[in-house]
Amino acid sequence: DARVTQTPRHKVTEMGQEVTMRCQPILGHNTVFWYRQTMMQGLELLAYFRNRAPLDDSGMPKDRFSAEMPDATLATLKIQPSEPRDSAVYFCASASDQGILDEKLFFGSGTQLSVL
Amino acid sequence: RKEVEQDPGPFNVPEGATVAFNCTYSNSASQSFFWYRQDCRKEPKLLMSVYSSGNEDGRFTAQLNRASQYISLLIRDSKLSDSATYLCVVIPGTYKYIFGTGTRLKVLA
Repeated sequence: DARVTQTPRHKVTEMGQEVTMRCQPILGHNTVFWYRQTMMQGLELLAYFRNRAPLDDSGMPKDRFSAEMPDATLATLKIQPSEPRDSAVYFCASASDQGILDEKLFFGSGTQLSVL
Repeated sequence: RKEVEQDPGPFNVPEGATVAFNCTYSNSASQSFFWYRQDCRKEPKLLMSVYSSGNEDGRFTAQLNRASQYISLLIRDSKLSDSATYLCVVIPGTYKYIFGTGTRLKVLA
């Protein structure tokens, strides 16, 4: 079964440390999304890429967050420096964009981040 | 105002009951709509797409009301296994999948 792979599954770190989360989208999928989920805010869209180009990262705090796709098989989300309010589950999702707005999103299992 | 809004619930219903959720969206240009299901501590998974003419998949019926800008999900004959959070998703025409905060459903034995 094709799936989106995220690493690490869990991360506990101290405030001020750098955190890097990785995502391997499903082979052939050209649209990749990063979401953050908290109890209060639900699923917030942080950034998304189409054919590796960033389309929109307006949902992301620019001073500390960065998202990249160094190649078609890897997307990264970095937080530097991390803060306790960044504690959340971070999901990566991918879709095969065929130019129609009816494509199913496939999610990874998420990274549970705790910043102490 | 949030782009996509849902009643967080929880909706507690007995087995066999019919339950309906609504989801409102603010962007009238939105073109595609979905319902996702999320189990506790798991990733969201697609439940069904929502088409203009409405669509049905077994016990689940999804409807779109463009005039009032909402989508709905109806679950008939609820099962214990339907207990989950139901997320509506709206695409406002920019390949941007916007999720609602979800509605929690608990089906009671």
